[in-house]
Amino acid sequence: AQSVTQPDIHITVSEGASLELRCNYSYGATPYLFWYVQSPGQGLQLLLKYFSGDTLVQGIKGFEAEFKRSQSSFNLRKPSVHWSDAAEYFCAVGGQSGNTPLVFGKGTRLSVIA
Amino acid sequence: DTAVSQTPKYLVTQMGNDKSIKCEQNLGHDTMYWYKQDSKKFLKIMFSYNNKELIINETVPNRFSPKSPDKAHLNLHINSLELGDSAVYFCASSPRGDSYPQYFGPGTRLLVL
Repeated sequence: AQSVTQPDIHITVSEGASLELRCNYSYGATPYLFWYVQSPGQGLQLLLKYFSGDTLVQGIKGFEAEFKRSQSSFNLRKPSVHWSDAAEYFCAVGGQSGNTPLVFGKGTRLSVIA
Repeated sequence: DTAVSQTPKYLVTQMGNDKSIKCEQNLGHDTMYWYKQDSKKFLKIMFSYNNKELIINETVPNRFSPKSPDKAHLNLHINSLELGDSAVYFCASSPRGDSYPQYFGPGTRLLVL
């Protein structure tokens, strides 16, 4: 069964500092991978996705993520965090079969301090 | 224009009541979903519909019944509400299948007293 682990429940970074949120997945075949962001009281917004090809994918709001098959990881990065990035971040994995549901990690809450 | 909309945004009700949450998407997507997000922010899929046909029905009590009158709408009806049903319910849609990016609605915050 597929699963996603986000090891960090809560991370605090200073504004302007770099950010890396970790995501490890378990999936028996080539995964489809996603990062979503949820601002307080809001729905989930897709930041970026990986299906195939270049393992470094660019997303919205200056985020990027790198797929590393050997490590079963899909970590999210941003070179310089803004206060508006404070939110909950979810990693998700899906399969290439049309009936494979997305499985979400438990999320990482990002706090940004001045 | 709101891509995926849900009504109501907030729902407070008594145990034992029956309630419905509505979802509409104007993206022309074929597939729609219901997710439940618990108090610990854990997101779990409940149902998936493709072109009005039920595709996924996870282990959900049969008090929950989705209905899709057309492919742009997926409503969730809940009978005999229980305290444990309190959560945020998200509707989502995707162009096709479950492995394509899903676009989420703003959520319905359900509180059962």
